[in-house]
Amino acid sequence: NAGVTQTPKFRILKIGQSMTLQCAQDMNHNYMYWYRQDPGMGLKLIYYSVGAGITDKGEVPNGYNVSRSTTEDFPLRLELAAPSQTSVYFCASSYKGAAGSYNSPLHFGNGTRLTVT
Amino acid sequence: DAKTTQPPSMDCAEGRAANLPCNHSTISGNEYVYWYRQIHSQGPQYIIHGLKNNETNEMASLIITEDRKSSTLILPHATLRDTAVYYCIVRVDTSGTYKYIFGTGTRLKVLA
Repeated sequence: NAGVTQTPKFRILKIGQSMTLQCAQDMNHNYMYWYRQDPGMGLKLIYYSVGAGITDKGEVPNGYNVSRSTTEDFPLRLELAAPSQTSVYFCASSYKGAAGSYNSPLHFGNGTRLTVT
Repeated sequence: DAKTTQPPSMDCAEGRAANLPCNHSTISGNEYVYWYRQIHSQGPQYIIHGLKNNETNEMASLIITEDRKSSTLILPHATLRDTAVYYCIVRVDTSGTYKYIFGTGTRLKVLA
């Protein structure tokens, strides 16, 4: 298993440009998450999804959009890039079973380092 | 949502036990405590988790106080490779939906 795969690893954007950060997992996890990590700080939750077709906002959703058309993929869209979105973006996934059954911990990708200038 | 508070940094001598504290005084009864670590800027790695009982695995031990308001991660014999930022996280359960809320972490430096 590859686990959680994020592409690209690095990207530089100009202000106002748009891009999509890709995230794919091959563990058949139902939950997927996007976090951002600013320099020297902890991770902040942007959006999450509990299954295909279902997404919800986290702590810092402004300026981002997500979709979850398949179990495997959870892309993060930046429509109008701003310098405040310069950060490292981490995608994560986990499995939540039925009540009383197995739940996996979060598995993280290696991140996308985004600079907006 | 429950929040966690951790000291910003700690040092530990190589070969000694590293005890990393975490306060989660607003934790709810069904919310688990998870510990992750992040080495350099890689994705965080899972270490251990628990609800109310103490837990141990091949990496670490987790001690949760009886009132569940705080916990301690113990690395029994720290090595230089354990130098990392350690995050104590509460898994928030809202009507069966799980969210993992990170704090600011403790930067552990293991000294030779």
